[in-house]
Amino acid sequence: GAGVSQSPRYKVAKRGQDVALRCDPISGHVSLFWYQQALGQGPEFLTYFQNEAQLDKSGLPSDRFFAERPEGSVSTLKIQRTQQEDSAVYLCASSLLRGVYYNEQFFGPGTRLTVL
Amino acid sequence: SQQGEEDPQALSIQEGENATMNCSYKTSINNLQWYRQNSGRGLVHLILIRSNEREKHSGRLRVTLDTSKKSSSLLITASRAADTASYFCATDASVLQFGAGTQVVVTP
Repeated sequence: GAGVSQSPRYKVAKRGQDVALRCDPISGHVSLFWYQQALGQGPEFLTYFQNEAQLDKSGLPSDRFFAERPEGSVSTLKIQRTQQEDSAVYLCASSLLRGVYYNEQFFGPGTRLTVL
Repeated sequence: SQQGEEDPQALSIQEGENATMNCSYKTSINNLQWYRQNSGRGLVHLILIRSNEREKHSGRLRVTLDTSKKSSSLLITASRAADTASYFCATDASVLQFGAGTQVVVTP
């Protein structure tokens, strides 16, 4: 497709369940980013991939959060043993390159996760 | 924690008026960007201004950057109802850091 896609768009989980959120970046984009956006707040950085390498995971809030991009394209953000504070919109973005000079990030529509 | 802080938090104007919002940040940056987010959707990149630039224009958008004051402003001229959205500034020091946003409502 022409843009970044994410699935599912909405996910409701019971507390303690594991969830997996998928991101399909724009074809050919080297960099992929995950963000968490709480209600009424701006996105907060979670993690960053360059191709299949996870170069920065400093924003992951706990070891229950895990992200992968095994073939350098599609990425999955997994949250284990979900808790109510994990409820948020999870945004994925991709960019063609990343370096000293910033390249525009293209965002997907996000996955709204609600943990009951 | 979020690097940028937008001001005001909310702004309500009528079509045709100008909308101005400000962003302050804390640390040195490579560049600063402004994004728009419509309700329930992802962010759309509006404009990027590099740390050595002071002003930039794109259509009805005008962005200024004052690195000595660590602040930026976004001006939307001749606003339209379709400009109703949340606007975020984001700084790129090492990773992209967003503020909490300004919610703009433009009424016909």
